[in-house]
Amino acid sequence: GAVVSQHPSWVICKSGTSVKIECRSLDFQATTMFWYRQFPKQSLMLMATSNEGSKATYEQGVEKDKFLINHASLTLSTLTVTSAHPEDSSFYICSARGLDHPGNEQFFGPGTRLTVL
Amino acid sequence: GQQLNQSPQSMFIQEGEDVSMNCTSSSIFNTWLWYKQEPGEGPVLLIALYKAGELTSNGRLTAQFGITRKDSFLNISASIPSDVGIYFCAGQLGTGNQFYFGTGTSLTVIP
Repeated sequence: GAVVSQHPSWVICKSGTSVKIECRSLDFQATTMFWYRQFPKQSLMLMATSNEGSKATYEQGVEKDKFLINHASLTLSTLTVTSAHPEDSSFYICSARGLDHPGNEQFFGPGTRLTVL
Repeated sequence: GQQLNQSPQSMFIQEGEDVSMNCTSSSIFNTWLWYKQEPGEGPVLLIALYKAGELTSNGRLTAQFGITRKDSFLNISASIPSDVGIYFCAGQLGTGNQFYFGTGTSLTVIP
């Protein structure tokens, strides 16, 4: 159990375009989903926390108008990178936590590699 | 945000050797998690710790929740090549959902 998927796994886009990344919990209901970005050889940096049915909470320094997060259901959250620029190129990883996990464990998706040309 | 320091930053060991790494913080945490991440993949949960002093094993892996609640340790016994990866600790403060991640320990196992 506790499987999280992400789609796409890899995306290349032109500067100025928008990219949507999906995060799904496959075998549990995710009350909370988290979005991280990770630069090469660095740790995970939390971007935002989203609870189903409510607005996401963004970490300091993360532009909410640039990184749009929607958590419309208990199994799906989306991250849209709007007007992407080369500096947005990174590895984006989501994680999910559900009611079945009383210890607050987070289970991660496989990540999405974004390259902005 | 919170700073979790992991040590060592990287390790190169012979197959069969034991491995020890730790994670320290200036803050008190109520939950510690240990993850392993392989290149191009998301982190995979290895062990979760909930009580100070708790010692939990998962196969050849053993992790401990430090008594002071400001640190945690991960040991890997009899390492094998597939143990290669980056190991991250993550700690949760007394309130809130957020976990803070450590700086990572890169492990290389030489056959």
